Order: sequence, then structure tokens, then C-alpha cells
Amino acid sequence: QSALTQPASVSGSPGQSITISCTGTSSDVGAYNSVSWYQQHPGKAPKLMIYEVSNRPSGVSSRFSGSKSGNTASLTISGLQADDEADYYCSSSTSSSTYVFGTGTKVTVL
Amino acid sequence: QVQLVQSGAEVKKPGSSVKVSCKASGGTFSSSAINWVRQAPGQGLEWMGSIIPIIDIANYAQKFQGRVTITADESTSTVSMELSSLRSDDTAVFYCARESGGIEAFGIWGQGTMVTVSS
Repeated sequence: QSALTQPASVSGSPGQSITISCTGTSSDVGAYNSVSWYQQHPGKAPKLMIYEVSNRPSGVSSRFSGSKSGNTASLTISGLQADDEADYYCSSSTSSSTYVFGTGTKVTVL
Repeated sequence: QVQLVQSGAEVKKPGSSVKVSCKASGGTFSSSAINWVRQAPGQGLEWMGSIIPIIDIANYAQKFQGRVTITADESTSTVSMELSSLRSDDTAVFYCARESGGIEAFGIWGQGTMVTVSS
């Protein structure tokens, strides 16, 4: 199972919006609505930001939103803030009843 | 709110095995699946496998098949992950992570356990 493809880095200025893509195949992202997104600050455990493509867990800012089209899912962060600077990973369930993560994207707030 | 508390850091020799535990604090695993995720230094997240403690069924990533064993002890609300035939490139932080409410996402994470493989 190959990792889902994400851009290595994305940057934006405070207040701007950025979008991170996550491209898989018809056996994972394209097959299920079980795409989730995680934020990871250095030295910390990942934190769930989006589940089931577009749902936010309680406590996660509405500035984070998710979507999916075909084999590609996306995470949008609006109103970029300094604390949003972190690594972001997507994940999807697969047709093999396993999970696969994305390659990870480093978000830099300029 | 259930928290996942993992065992401490380990240093192992190449060819040996390591067993990392993950205990539910403040509750039980109930019917949730517990997953294990590996993160090598400076690298991304890698799903290793999972177990549903209540039915004791484990599922493994093909990459780790034959080298990883995930077990559960409901009486102590503890899930363990054992990785054998360790190599230097197994040096990583290992996380346990819980799914809940039938949602296929990792909503609760342990603090991570650093395993260093070195001769």
C-alpha cells in the first residue's frame, strides 16, 4: 500500500487561506468517505482535525474544513494563524481493511 | 475522557524484539479499535496494524506482517505491540491511537514511545 501523496510544503501569510491536497487511488481515498486529517506540532502526538472527509471533532476551530473529489481529498485552513504552523497528514481506510497515511505537508506561516 | 498511556522509551539491539504497551486511563477500550502508528525520526506517519480488544481480532499492514504482533488484555485495559527482528531503521516513535464511535479516524493518541535500535 503506497502512501497518499501530499505536497511537501505549503505556506501562507497570517489571515490567508491555504489548501493541502491528498491524492490516493480508487482503492482508498476514492472508495471511502473515511478520510481524516491530523495536525502534528514538533515533538507532539498527532491531533485529529477532520474525520469522514469534512467533519470536525468537538473543539477544533471552524477555520479547518475538508472536502473530497474523486481520488483527491483536501484540507483548507482559513484565517491562517501562527499556531497553525505544523505538519499535516491525511489518512484513509483502504479496500484491504487497513489504513494508509499521506506523505505529510509542512505548513509555514510567513 | 479516556487517555492512552504508553510505556517508556526502549533501547534495543539489532535482531531483538521490543514490546510497547498502551493502557486506557480513565476508562476502557470498550468496542473501539486500537491502532499502532510508527514515525521514524524526521519522517511521516506509518500505520502498522490494529486490534479490536473486545473480539481480540488483529489486522496488520502488509509491510509488517510476520514481524509485528498486537495483543490485548481487557482485564487491564492494555494493548501491546511487539515488533521482532529489529533493525536500525526501526528506530522510531511508536504511537497507539484509538478509534471510537464507529468512526474510522484516530481520535485519541498515546504520548508516543521512542524505540532506539542500536548495536
